[in-house]
Amino acid sequence: QVQLQESGPGLVKPSQTLSLTCAVSGASISSGGYYWTWIRQLPGKGLEWIGYIYYTGNTYYNPSLKSRSTISVDTSKNQFSLKMTSVTAADTGVYYCARAGVMAIQSHFDYWGQGARVSVSS
Amino acid sequence: DIQLTQSPSSLSASIGDRVTITCRASQTINDFLNWYQQKPGQAPKVLIYAASNLQSGVPSRFGGSGFGTDFTLTISSLQPEDSATYYCQQSHSIPRTFGPGTKVDIK
Repeated sequence: QVQLQESGPGLVKPSQTLSLTCAVSGASISSGGYYWTWIRQLPGKGLEWIGYIYYTGNTYYNPSLKSRSTISVDTSKNQFSLKMTSVTAADTGVYYCARAGVMAIQSHFDYWGQGARVSVSS
Repeated sequence: DIQLTQSPSSLSASIGDRVTITCRASQTINDFLNWYQQKPGQAPKVLIYAASNLQSGVPSRFGGSGFGTDFTLTISSLQPEDSATYYCQQSHSIPRTFGPGTKVDIK
């Protein structure tokens, strides 16, 4: 059974950097075939795709967040991470990691973490 | 970016009712359309992928159809556990985008 688990600080100060890690179990990131994804949900709003990474390190970002976001992968630890710089209160929300298939028929998000609640406040 | 709109934004229906939610894309996305269910405090869960394929483990009362720009999620006989918010999502183009959601309540 594939499981994803987010971890990281629940409180970040404005203008600082949000850092989250997603630990994957039940699947090997280095096996390929999947994009490892960050998605967020802001209060009272819908879901926003931040970006994803392949095990090779290739990344794809939402242009609206690209300038502030970096996704990286550590295949030795079977985990991937998100850093988002210069955060403001508008970045407060729940951050999910998820998996999406590379093949077109499997390009949906089939496994999700439980979500990490992040609050940006001084 | 591909914009997704959903209708209705919310609905209330009785147990056993047939429920239909629609999703419209701002440009053609072939069948690269997925449906998710989200309950309060939980992560979304995929129900339907590639417009009409039922995800393993999802009850058969859920069904999807459509191609191009217009898509439908149908719950053939609404059950109490189906009270949730439903989102469509396109996997045709980067950035991936989601619809605004449809909240389904039980009367």
